[in-house]
Amino acid sequence: AQTVTQSQPEMSVQEAETVTLSCTYDTSESDYYLFWYKQPPSRQMILVIRQEAYKQQNATENRFSVNFQKAAKSFSLKISDSQLGDAAMYFCAYRSANAGGTSYGKLTFGQGTILTVHP
Amino acid sequence: DAMVIQNPRYQVTQFGKPVTLSCSQTLNHNVMYWYQQKSSQAPKLLFHYYDKDFNNEADTPDNFQSRRPNTSFCFLDIRSPGLGDAAMYLCATSRGTDRSNEKLFFGSGTQLSVL
Repeated sequence: AQTVTQSQPEMSVQEAETVTLSCTYDTSESDYYLFWYKQPPSRQMILVIRQEAYKQQNATENRFSVNFQKAAKSFSLKISDSQLGDAAMYFCAYRSANAGGTSYGKLTFGQGTILTVHP
Repeated sequence: DAMVIQNPRYQVTQFGKPVTLSCSQTLNHNVMYWYQQKSSQAPKLLFHYYDKDFNNEADTPDNFQSRRPNTSFCFLDIRSPGLGDAAMYLCATSRGTDRSNEKLFFGSGTQLSVL
């Protein structure tokens, strides 16, 4: 079974600064997908960024980028130019690429990191 | 426009009293999921439906059941809620057709309290 670990229960950053959230995972598979989700106080999960394991290039989405180290099974999220609206719980998640059709969306989540942004 | 709608936003029930949470979607997605998220913990998948096919996670207690009467609606039934079942329950949907680019759409969740 796959596991996802986020070792930072809480992080804080000053507005306009950069912060990195850590995530490690354990799997015996070679083909999979990794995600970062944001859960603001409204509790609705929002997809931030997605990485395919077979791609060496790190994914980027505007101010959000990842550092994907496949050999180390590490998948960190960097938020640049942090904004007050970035304050939320952030979850790292794993999905197997070998799942059958009924499990395409089945995710394994980490424990989450609460990000506080100070003005 | 909300695409995955969960009602109610907050639900209070009594210990042992059956409760039903509802989820509806306007996306016409094949797959609907129910996740349980306890305070400060990771969401945990309880089960999912692919069309009418029910897929239960191995460690989901028997106390939790689900119904999907049609494509748009999915219900989570807790037959005898215990104090440990107090949690946020998240519904999500996905197309179920795109192996490489499957995307989940989440509702806003229902916060269940058990008194």
